[in-house]
Amino acid sequence: GIQVEQSPPDLILQEGANSTLRCNFSDSVNNLQWFHQNPWGQLINLFYIPSGTKQNGRLSATTVATERYSLLYISSSQTTDSGVYFCAVERGFGNEKLTFGTGTRLTIIP
Amino acid sequence: GAVVSQHPSWVICKSGTSVKIECRSLDFQATTMFWYRQFPKQSLMLMATSNEGSKATYEQGVEKDKFLINHASLTLSTLTVTSAHPEDSSFYICSARSPGIGANVLTFGAGSRLTVL
Repeated sequence: GIQVEQSPPDLILQEGANSTLRCNFSDSVNNLQWFHQNPWGQLINLFYIPSGTKQNGRLSATTVATERYSLLYISSSQTTDSGVYFCAVERGFGNEKLTFGTGTRLTIIP
Repeated sequence: GAVVSQHPSWVICKSGTSVKIECRSLDFQATTMFWYRQFPKQSLMLMATSNEGSKATYEQGVEKDKFLINHASLTLSTLTVTSAHPEDSSFYICSARSPGIGANVLTFGAGSRLTVL
C-alpha cells in the first residue's frame, strides 16, 4: 500500500514562531487532506489539497503532486495550535481508503 | 458544513462484554462510512469500510467476528466490539464523505475512547 511519512515527528516552538510540516507519499494521489487532532482527539479538517496552494488565515498548504510531497505552514503560532497534525492521502476517487501519515506532534510554549 | 456524530464519547466496560459505538451523519446521507482505530501516540489505522445495505469490507488483520459493523441506514453505522478484552482498549473514530462538491473530503466524528477492564 501507499506509504505516508511526516516530518518532523515532534516540534516544540515558542508562541509567535513559524513552522513548516512536511508530508511525503510514495505514490500518485488524487486526494490529500491535512488534519489537526486536538488534545481531546477530535480531527479537524484543515485543507483538502491534492495539488496547488491554499491559505486559510495563519495556515497555508502546498502540494506538489508530481514530486509527491505536501507542506503545511503555520505562521505566528498560538498555544491553541498545539496538537498532532496528520496528512492523509487517497489514490483513487470515490470510496477508496484514506491512508494517514505518521503525524507531527506540535507543542507551542507560551 | 457536514457533521458526523459519534456516541458514546467514552465507555468503560468489563472484560468479556460487548460494546456498541454509533456513528451518525447528521445533515447528509452517507452510503459509505469508515472506521479507524488509534492507539496512544500513534496514527490512525483503517479498520473497515462500512457500506449501507451490504457487508463491511475489513482491512487485513482485522477480525470481522470481533468487530461487527452494521450500516443499516444512510445516516447510521455501528461498530460492536464483541467479547472485549483489555487489548481492545483504544480510541475508535468514524468518518464519512460529505456529498456534493466536497465529496472527496472526509469528515470525522469526535471519537469514542474504549477502556476494557
